[in-house]
Amino acid sequence: DTAVSQTPKYLVTQMGNDKSIKCEQNLGHDTMYWYKQDSKKFLKIMFSYNNKELIINETVPNRFSPKSPDKAHLNLHINSLELGDSAVYFCASSQEGWAYNEQFFGPGTRLTVL
Amino acid sequence: QKEVEQNSGPLSVPEGAIASLNCTYSDRGSQSFFWYRQYSGKSPELIMSIYSNGDKEDGRFTAQLNKASQYVSLLIRDSQPSDSATYLCAGYSGAGSYQLTFGKGTKLSVIP
Repeated sequence: DTAVSQTPKYLVTQMGNDKSIKCEQNLGHDTMYWYKQDSKKFLKIMFSYNNKELIINETVPNRFSPKSPDKAHLNLHINSLELGDSAVYFCASSQEGWAYNEQFFGPGTRLTVL
Repeated sequence: QKEVEQNSGPLSVPEGAIASLNCTYSDRGSQSFFWYRQYSGKSPELIMSIYSNGDKEDGRFTAQLNKASQYVSLLIRDSQPSDSATYLCAGYSGAGSYQLTFGKGTKLSVIP
């Protein structure tokens, strides 16, 4: 059984389009995260939700909007896609979003903006 | 700015040798640290966590933490070609922190 799943796995789209990535976890965790990993493999936090409440909102363009319909799901919507948005986006979850809790990652969504 | 620094490598070791991966961090308030392994094209996979000064062993892996020196390391004994991957060091800052800061990773190659 997949613990943290993401769809789609690959996303190829044109500049200016709007797209969404979905994430679901079946671990019963309270906290979910979105990370961006760029071409140099640097993994950077974008957002975090704890029990559907936004707790981390790093400096990302407001074209990116996370939505958490329940604590098992965290979706990422991106408006007006730009070339620089091309990256791999990882969803992760943890039991509770504080020190000592291990984060588990989904398989990633490779976004390519043409 | 909380930072976690790693030597990007690549680090090459022969099969059967000990691979030593190092990480330093800037925030003295950091409480806990994690090592993730990431194969090319795959997601990060947690392999070790460490919270207290000293060593923690799990199979062929040993994590070491020295809070006074703000230093974390991962030793891989009897390295295998299957250990070839990028290793990411990450740390939380403070008990109330929700944010895990990652280093840029060290690429390890184990040569048969």
